[in-house]
Amino acid sequence: ILNVEQSPQSLHVQEGDSTNFTCSFPSSNFYALHWYRWETAKSPEALFVMTLNGDEKKKGRISATLNTKEGYSYLYIKGSQPEDSATYLCAFNDYKLSFGAGTTVTVRA
Amino acid sequence: EAQVTQNPRYLITVTGKKLTVTCSQNMNHEYMSWYRQDPGLGLRQIYYSMNVEVTDKGDVPEGYKVSRKEKRNFPLILESPSPNQTSLYFCASSPDKTGFSEAFFGQGTRLTVV
Repeated sequence: ILNVEQSPQSLHVQEGDSTNFTCSFPSSNFYALHWYRWETAKSPEALFVMTLNGDEKKKGRISATLNTKEGYSYLYIKGSQPEDSATYLCAFNDYKLSFGAGTTVTVRA
Repeated sequence: EAQVTQNPRYLITVTGKKLTVTCSQNMNHEYMSWYRQDPGLGLRQIYYSMNVEVTDKGDVPEGYKVSRKEKRNFPLILESPSPNQTSLYFCASSPDKTGFSEAFFGQGTRLTVV
């Protein structure tokens, strides 16, 4: 089982503030890094699939960067809104997806 | 609408009573997999299937069985459930096994074994 670590485990953000959190993964044998957003009582939904070192992807106020050589990815939320409250999962793919435990973001109004 | 459908959403059962959780996708995806999610742990893969009649063990296969007789369906079978199989289960599908495409998840099945 691959060691995919996410930190912090949880964080609280004031509405309007920006935040970021980390996914660490093995730097060898890299194929792809996935980010998913998982809201309570719903299914995880894909945010990004990143494949190249230096990749930067953006969807609305959420963006992600990828460093495959050092084995980490950052997810950024700009100007957090209550609807951003969710657990954000990253998953490392060499020949199958291995998920981290997630970062749970709570945005306070 | 493209989707992965799991049933049931919630299930309470007793130790030893065989059960099946169904999973169906309408996207003609080749790759399907089952995960369990437990507090403090990431999604852990139970079994996966790369195509019809091709299945293989994931990281935590003990106590589970699967089958893939048709491309769209991938049921999860617990022959003799035990309390340590109480968990939240997700089925997922993706176009292929390369990992370059996103996975689509079902709504989840919350299983309690008493």
